[in-house]
Amino acid sequence: QQQVKQSPQSLIVQKGGISIINCAYENTAFDYFPWYQQFPGKGPALLIAIRPDVSEKKEGRFTISFNKSAKQFSLHIMDSQPGDSATYFCAASVSNFGNEKLTFGTGTRLTIIP
Amino acid sequence: NAGVTQTPKFRVLKTGQSMTLLCAQDMNHEYMYWYRQDPGMGLRLIHYSVGEGTTAKGEVPDGYNVSRLKKQNFLLGLESAAPSQTSVYFCASSYDRDLNAYEQYFGPGTRLTVT
Repeated sequence: QQQVKQSPQSLIVQKGGISIINCAYENTAFDYFPWYQQFPGKGPALLIAIRPDVSEKKEGRFTISFNKSAKQFSLHIMDSQPGDSATYFCAASVSNFGNEKLTFGTGTRLTIIP
Repeated sequence: NAGVTQTPKFRVLKTGQSMTLLCAQDMNHEYMYWYRQDPGMGLRLIHYSVGEGTTAKGEVPDGYNVSRLKKQNFLLGLESAAPSQTSVYFCASSYDRDLNAYEQYFGPGTRLTVT
């Protein structure tokens, strides 16, 4: 059973545009929501993460929006650049003193075109 | 500081053969994880360890065994490889007790093909 549903599967955005990737979760016990960025041939790297006590977190051009009542969270990439072309994974976990057993979404392949 | 390293990077096995994947971390992390990544399925947790000498099952543990004899190393074994185990395997580590930091760091992956 897929506990974290991610959409879209692929996304093409023009340079300078806004990229938006959405995730929905089922387990209301989840309390940690990270986004990972993965380039071809590399391992995933943490991009930004949020906990449900805030509705939005921004780091540079990357913003997570979190809607606890709808059990949804999304990644917004402002002023998208070709270097942002990568696969993005959302994830969720129940905090356990650092033992964050992450449940991942299926990934979104983002392509930024000039 | 190399972070998380994995050995080997690529491997081709025949059905029924065995092999061990090695993960090493130099960040003094308490926890270590093995994931597999398959197209359209994200990353799925195979096994994990919360400390030296301890291991636990994840979401897809069947066909795999693990050991953590040293804090910095986490081994993933396939006793009798099957084509369904063709995948990219990622190791990760987390929890810096001194910094109270929980971020998971991933290795570069091992691409395994079972024919």
